Amino acid sequence: DQQVKQNSPSLSVQEGRISILNCDYTNSMFDYFLWYKKYPAEGPTFLISISSIKDKNEDGRFTVFLNKSAKHLSLHIVPSQPGDSAVYFCAAPGNTGKLIFGQGTTLQVKP
Amino acid sequence: GAVVSQHPSRVICKSGTSVKIECRSLDFQATTMFWYRQFPKKSLMLMATSNEGSKATYEQGVEKDKFLINHASLTLSTLTVTSAHPEDSSFYICSARDLPYGYTFGSGTRLTVV
Repeated sequence: DQQVKQNSPSLSVQEGRISILNCDYTNSMFDYFLWYKKYPAEGPTFLISISSIKDKNEDGRFTVFLNKSAKHLSLHIVPSQPGDSAVYFCAAPGNTGKLIFGQGTTLQVKP
Repeated sequence: GAVVSQHPSRVICKSGTSVKIECRSLDFQATTMFWYRQFPKKSLMLMATSNEGSKATYEQGVEKDKFLINHASLTLSTLTVTSAHPEDSSFYICSARDLPYGYTFGSGTRLTVV
């Protein structure tokens, strides 16, 4: 049962444009969501998070939007930079505390 | 911020031998640590949850006797891959939980079994 889903395995964007990465979840009990960025052969690094009491959280070029009724969240990166090219994972803590990850979306930002 | 150190970053071992991977929380105490495995072009697969002073909780399908986890202190968890086989070759990542929603990851270990 895939409780956190990232249905787009890859995304290609031109430098300077907006990147939008999507994530859906099925468990309405999730109350916190996190986005991680991962380069090959490295561990994930935390990007941004959002609590279910909010619908938006912004940190520099990164903004996460949460639509609880649709059980959907998205990560916006603007403007996109070549260094943003990586795999992005959304995740939510389950009731036992373990993080439940989506499948990941590979973002490629072209110069 | 919270830092998790994972060692070694790369290891090559012969088939049949055992390999130990260490995960340390450097500036905080982690009562709970997690071990993941990543297959090529796949997501992170949670292997087990490591709790300080108690037995690890393994995910379904993960062999407890092959992947031994020890969390003897609040800053150290170890994963030992016993009697390694080539199919155990993978990228292993640990994570430590420092706050209700703070999850910090180590840099990962590339294991190659030859």
